[in-house]
Amino acid sequence: GDSVTQMEGPVTLSEEAFLTINCTYTATGYPSLFWYVQYPGEGLQLLLKATKADDKGSNKGFEATYRKETTSFHLEKGSVQVSDSAVYFCALREETSGSRLTFGEGTQLTVNP
Amino acid sequence: DGGITQSPKYLFRKEGQNVTLSCEQNLNHDAMYWYRQDPGQGLRLIYYSQIVNDFQKGDIAEGYSVSREKKESFPLTVTSAQKNPTAFYLCASSMTRATNEKLFFGSGTQLSVL
Repeated sequence: GDSVTQMEGPVTLSEEAFLTINCTYTATGYPSLFWYVQYPGEGLQLLLKATKADDKGSNKGFEATYRKETTSFHLEKGSVQVSDSAVYFCALREETSGSRLTFGEGTQLTVNP
Repeated sequence: DGGITQSPKYLFRKEGQNVTLSCEQNLNHDAMYWYRQDPGQGLRLIYYSQIVNDFQKGDIAEGYSVSREKKESFPLTVTSAQKNPTAFYLCASSMTRATNEKLFFGSGTQLSVL
């Protein structure tokens, strides 16, 4: 079945540091890939997405590239801010799974001033 | 404003009691979903519905039930058969079942057992 594996957390960085959160996936078909962000006490919001191999999703300084050869979709940001502190979820969605969204475990990011 | 509304924000369940979590959307979305979130385990799919009067079990449907009598509404009942109901429950919707569609999430309901 489909699955998503994220790097173990939590991650703590200083402001303006470089961020990488690793994400790898297993899928039987050709999924779309997503990063969602969850701020404390809230639901999830879409951060970025990529729908086919070599696509790069980007938003608010975050980027992730759909790498089919390594089945990865790592999230990066060149300079994090305190306001980026949140839980980040990698997810995939494909037709063969009834178009359900399958999530990774989530990675807690804390950015200190 | 369009969006998904979950209520209540906090809910307490007594032993042996059934409780119902509400989820309403005014986005005219066809598909709706219920996820359970436990610390360190990410989100797990409970039930989903792609059209009115139809729904399918997700990965952890045991102890839960749903209905989809109206397009806008997808209530989740946590029954007494669910032995470990304490969790954060998230409802979501999407316009269609297309794989590149994003999900819109509600702000969640925290369920605790008394």
